[in-house]
Amino acid sequence: AQKVTQAQTEISVVEKEDVTLDCVYETRDTTYYLFWYKQPPSGELVFLIRRNSFDEQNEISGRYSWNFQKSTSSFNFTITASQVVDSAVYFCALSEALSSARQLTFGSGTQLTVLP
Amino acid sequence: DTGVSQNPRHKITKRGQNVTFRCDPISEHNRLYWYRQTLGQGPEFLTYFQNEAQLEKSRLLSDRFSAERPKGSFSTLEIQRTEQGDSAMYLCASTPVSGTYEQYFGPGTRLTVT
Repeated sequence: AQKVTQAQTEISVVEKEDVTLDCVYETRDTTYYLFWYKQPPSGELVFLIRRNSFDEQNEISGRYSWNFQKSTSSFNFTITASQVVDSAVYFCALSEALSSARQLTFGSGTQLTVLP
Repeated sequence: DTGVSQNPRHKITKRGQNVTFRCDPISEHNRLYWYRQTLGQGPEFLTYFQNEAQLEKSRLLSDRFSAERPKGSFSTLEIQRTEQGDSAMYLCASTPVSGTYEQYFGPGTRLTVT
């Protein structure tokens, strides 16, 4: 069965510091999709990024970057020059292609607090 | 606003009462999902619809829970004889059949059972 582990429960950084959120996943499927979602205090989950299992190219989008490594089953997320508005809970999630429902399996989340 | 909407946003009920939540997905999104999120945890999958057909249910969905999606548009989630353990945030998400797998979430309905 699929599983997503986010070992970091809480992280605090001072504004402008870089921060990396870790995600490790387990799946027996060879084709799968990985996601990061952000849940600010308002509660609504906001989609950030999706990666396919066959595309290990890492990506940078503004202050966000993602490091996908199949060899270690990791999909880490880095925020560069953090800002107070980045404070939120961040969830890593997995969807298996073999699952007809394509439901998301989430990690337990990492609470990021950016201090001014 | 063309995002996923959910009503009500908050519901307080007494143990043993029935409650019903509504989700309006993004227009033309065929797939609709219900998740439950308890404090300090990630969302957990409950059930999935493709158009009006309920195609998958999690083991988390006890007999007291029922979901419908008449005409493949909005969906309702009903909990009968609520228990304190049902207190959680109930999230709805939608996505098109074709496409890229990411799901778009509504703001959720927070249920408190007293």
